Amino acid sequence: AQTVTQSQPEMSVQEAETVTLSCTYDTSESDYYLFWYKQPPSRQMILVIRQEAYKQQNATENRFSVNFQKAAKSFSLKISDSQLGDAAMYFCAYREEGGNEKLTFGTGTRLTIIP
Amino acid sequence: GAVVSQHPSWVICKSGTSVKIECRSLDFQATTMFWYRQFPKQSLMLMATSNEGSKATYEQGVEKDKFLINHASLTLSTLTVTSAHPEDSSFYICSATPKVLWGAQYFGPGTRLLVL
Repeated sequence: AQTVTQSQPEMSVQEAETVTLSCTYDTSESDYYLFWYKQPPSRQMILVIRQEAYKQQNATENRFSVNFQKAAKSFSLKISDSQLGDAAMYFCAYREEGGNEKLTFGTGTRLTIIP
Repeated sequence: GAVVSQHPSWVICKSGTSVKIECRSLDFQATTMFWYRQFPKQSLMLMATSNEGSKATYEQGVEKDKFLINHASLTLSTLTVTSAHPEDSSFYICSATPKVLWGAQYFGPGTRLLVL
């Protein structure tokens, strides 16, 4: 079974600085999708960024980018120019290619932004 | 785009009553919807996968008769917690996968259930 590991339960960063959240996963599949979701205090899950495993190029969405290392099964999230609104729980998630659409989530990293 | 709504946002009920939670995809069709449960400071736990027009697929350990799921249309799925007890108190979240946009699930805002 696939597993997703987030080894940092909590992280903090100064406002305007850069922070990287770690995620590793275990799978025997070659085609799959990876996601980062954000859950602010409102508890609304928000899709931050997604990556297709067959793409070598790292995904980028404005201040958010990933470092996808397929061989190492690593999928870290970099947040640049951190803002107060970035404070949230961040969940890494994995999904197989094909019919099974279930997401496997990591345990989450709580990110605190220091003003 | 890809907005999912849930209703109600929170509900308080007496033990033994049934509670229905609705999940709607507002601007897309979703052949598959998912129901999760989340305890405080924990990750999401998948309860079941709901496909339009067919029976839901429940995860191991989830009671089918307690958590009834109906996916009546391409935009609506409902979760009914039958004969609710205090241990059913939790945060319930639904999600949906658009037909067009690959892979990602889009989440509703969640429903807080408190059973007294």
